[in-house]
Amino acid sequence: EVQLVESGGGLVQPGGSLRLSCAASGFTFSAVWMSWVRQAPGKGLEWVAHISQDESNKYFVDSVKGRFTISRDNAQNSLFLQMNSLRAEDTAVYYCAKYGAVYGRAHDYWGHGTLVTVSS
Amino acid sequence: DIQMTQSPSSLSTSVGDGVTITCRASQTISNYLNWYQQKPGRAPQLLVSGASTLQSGVPSRFSGSGSGTDFTLTISSLQPEDSAIYYCQQGYSVPFTFGPGTKVDIK
Repeated sequence: EVQLVESGGGLVQPGGSLRLSCAASGFTFSAVWMSWVRQAPGKGLEWVAHISQDESNKYFVDSVKGRFTISRDNAQNSLFLQMNSLRAEDTAVYYCAKYGAVYGRAHDYWGHGTLVTVSS
Repeated sequence: DIQMTQSPSSLSTSVGDGVTITCRASQTISNYLNWYQQKPGRAPQLLVSGASTLQSGVPSRFSGSGSGTDFTLTISSLQPEDSAIYYCQQGYSVPFTFGPGTKVDIK
């Protein structure tokens, strides 16, 4: 059974940092691209970033470029999102998601999400 | 960036009725279009990938169609458990943008 479990969310002050983790199981983690998607309270979904299997390719939405980094540890089946210089508008539930072996580059499995609140 | 729009933004209809949700891309995305269902407090769930491929376990009353810039998600006979928000997402070019969502309520 595929499982994605996020952790690391919490309350942080504007300008602060937070590192999110996603523990993966039930599939060959090292074989798939992974991504982070966020959802602000009461709002829609926003794709944030994704990373290739060997970390050679990483892409970010413009609003987080230069502030967020994405990484992975294939030996530990883990995905990470380092978030620096956090702003109030980064407040959201952050989902870890895997890309499936399906046409369309769709996310076939999602974690339950971890809430990040940026507030003083 | 590719902009995604959806219509309607919300709808309310009866059990057994047919529902059609439209998604439009600001430029051609071939058939790199995916549909997700999200229920309150839950993570999104993939329904359709590649514009028309139904995911394993998704009821056959759901179907997707379209290519280029215009796509539809159809629910042939609405069931109570279909009450949710439906999002389209393009996987053609980064950032992989989502539509704003369509909320489906049961009367």
